[in-house]
Amino acid sequence: EPEVTQTPSHQVTQMGQEVILRCVPISNHLYFYWYRQILGQKVEFLVSFYNNEISEKSEIFDDQFSVERPDGSNFTLKIRSTKLEDSAMYFCASVYAPSYEQYFGPGTRLTVT
Amino acid sequence: AQRVTQPEKLLSVFKGAPVELKCNYSYSGSPELFWYVQYSRQRLQLLLRHISRESIKGFTADLNKGETSFHLKKPFAQEEDSAMYYCALTVAGTASKLTFGTGTRLQVTL
Repeated sequence: EPEVTQTPSHQVTQMGQEVILRCVPISNHLYFYWYRQILGQKVEFLVSFYNNEISEKSEIFDDQFSVERPDGSNFTLKIRSTKLEDSAMYFCASVYAPSYEQYFGPGTRLTVT
Repeated sequence: AQRVTQPEKLLSVFKGAPVELKCNYSYSGSPELFWYVQYSRQRLQLLLRHISRESIKGFTADLNKGETSFHLKKPFAQEEDSAMYYCALTVAGTASKLTFGTGTRLQVTL
């Protein structure tokens, strides 16, 4: 069964550095999402992406964040200048309409020191 | 605004006992409700959604619009049911974001 994949599984970075988290959605899916989960807290929506543009974003998704689908397979989340509070598990998800069921990747644990 | 509330952080039951994981929601529009499960060190997986009305791994959930609830139930808990369970909501019939509850850890003991 096809799965969403994410790399790396764990990323450690210093405050102020840029990070790029990578996701490969399921190949025939059309909608893509990023969520994050700070340790001990709920899973929170960051952004959704459809037809090569952002379709929805949360208040968390400020100018420090950007998303891109640079080719036909990858979907990336960039954080320009990381802060300590960006430390979290970041999940990618994708959807094939019309079921609208979101399939999640295994997550990338980002640790900012 | 969409909100999902799971009042219990931890639910501990004995094997063979009934399980009920509570979920209440707040949304003025037409919601679709889901239960996701996360086993230890694994990804979030869809367990069930209210529109499909299926029973998965013995779990069922009924949407009660009057009480704005979507409680997850299983008559007889198994050890392998131990996991984190998340209730989530989205706008029905769309690819909109999921709004999650804080999750309930189900611990099934012998």
